[in-house]
Amino acid sequence: DIQMTQSPSTLSTSVGDRVTITCRASQNIVNWLAWYQHKPRKAPKLLIYKASTLESGVPSRFSGSGSGTEFTLTISSLQPDDFATYFCQQYNSHFPVPYSFGQGTILEIK
Amino acid sequence: EVQLVESGGGLVQPGGSLRLSCAASGFTFTNSAMSWVRQAPGKGLEWVSGISGGGGRTYYADSVKGRFSISRDNSKNTLYLQMNSLRAEDTAVYSCAKVGYDVLTGSYEAFDIWGQGTMVTVSS
Repeated sequence: DIQMTQSPSTLSTSVGDRVTITCRASQNIVNWLAWYQHKPRKAPKLLIYKASTLESGVPSRFSGSGSGTEFTLTISSLQPDDFATYFCQQYNSHFPVPYSFGQGTILEIK
Repeated sequence: EVQLVESGGGLVQPGGSLRLSCAASGFTFTNSAMSWVRQAPGKGLEWVSGISGGGGRTYYADSVKGRFSISRDNSKNTLYLQMNSLRAEDTAVYSCAKVGYDVLTGSYEAFDIWGQGTMVTVSS
């Protein structure tokens, strides 16, 4: 199975900061990588799929990049609503794959 | 409103059974592949099971194969997860999710709709 390693696990940040989160795959996943935002007691929200495609309705301050085994999620200017947990997921064009997830990154207020 | 709402979680003894439900609304459930995902306390997310839109194909993680069974009732827009022979390590929040699908390319995509989850605790 493909292992996803996400870093950092926690990030202390401030409103207006530029934030970068990294996800590494244990083998080449091309661009089959998604990023999600998760807030307590709410459903996770898809932000980015195919490594860099912004889901409809997601603010443009969120962006994704990378291919192969290394990927990043960038928030260009952190807003108060962005304090949450972010996690990556590897998937595939076929169904199903044994999907796997990163451990998550908690963005907390500095 | 597009949403998934899970129910059926609770406290069950080791070796017991539980059936989770996931009610879908706001999208065409029949055409949508679905998955169950869980998160144990203090741990990361783990994919548990998946099912095709018509229900004819089902898939399981090795950790639950032979004990869990996924099904769906498209007339009720509802997804199910029957969990038997439960173990302490099955304790987790269980969430259902819709698998995205790109009609232009015919390829599956990331999970575009998630539920909030329902807690399952396996303990004596």
